[in-house]
Amino acid sequence: DIQMTQSPSSLSASVGDRVTITCRASQGISNSLAWYQQKPGKAPKLLLYAASRLESGVPSRFSGSGSGTDYTLTISSLQPEDFATYYCQQYYSTLGTFGQGTKVEIK
Amino acid sequence: EVQLVESGGGLVKPGGSLRLSCAASGFTFSSYSMNWVRQAPGKGLEWVSSISSSSSYIYYADSVKGRFTISRDNAKNSLYLQMNSLRAEDTAVYYCARDGYGDYLLDYWGQGTLVTVSS
Repeated sequence: DIQMTQSPSSLSASVGDRVTITCRASQGISNSLAWYQQKPGKAPKLLLYAASRLESGVPSRFSGSGSGTDYTLTISSLQPEDFATYYCQQYYSTLGTFGQGTKVEIK
Repeated sequence: EVQLVESGGGLVKPGGSLRLSCAASGFTFSSYSMNWVRQAPGKGLEWVSSISSSSSYIYYADSVKGRFTISRDNAKNSLYLQMNSLRAEDTAVYYCARDGYGDYLLDYWGQGTLVTVSS
């Protein structure tokens, strides 16, 4: 099974900050990497896929990059509605696995 | 508008059974693979099971294999998860999710239904 490791597990940031979250796969996943946002009590929402493609309707302040085993989600200027937990997910193998999540909190 | 509405959750004793349902609307249900993903209280996301559009391909996480059965009824636009031999560690919110890209990318999710396994 492919394991996904996110870092950090949590972070505190202010509105307007640039935020970066990292996800590492236990083996190469050929950019088959998605990012989801989840707010408390709500279902996850797909933000990006194929490592860097923005899902329709997602603000352009969200971006993704990476290759091989290492991937990054960047929020260029954090907005109040972005405080949430973010999960990476590999879909290179059947039943894609999720990272453990990164909680973005208000500083 | 795509909608996925789960139902069937509740409190069940260890060793018991429960059947979850997911009613789909707003898209051609029979064209998409569907999935169940769960989230234990305060924990991360865990993929439970996946079923292809025509039910030809079915997959389970090792943690539920042999105990859970996924199925679908395309005529009723519905997805199901039969859960048997339930354990305390199966306690979670269970989400129904659509694979929008044919690649285990989950583009639409339901609101979830809570399953609590406790004596």
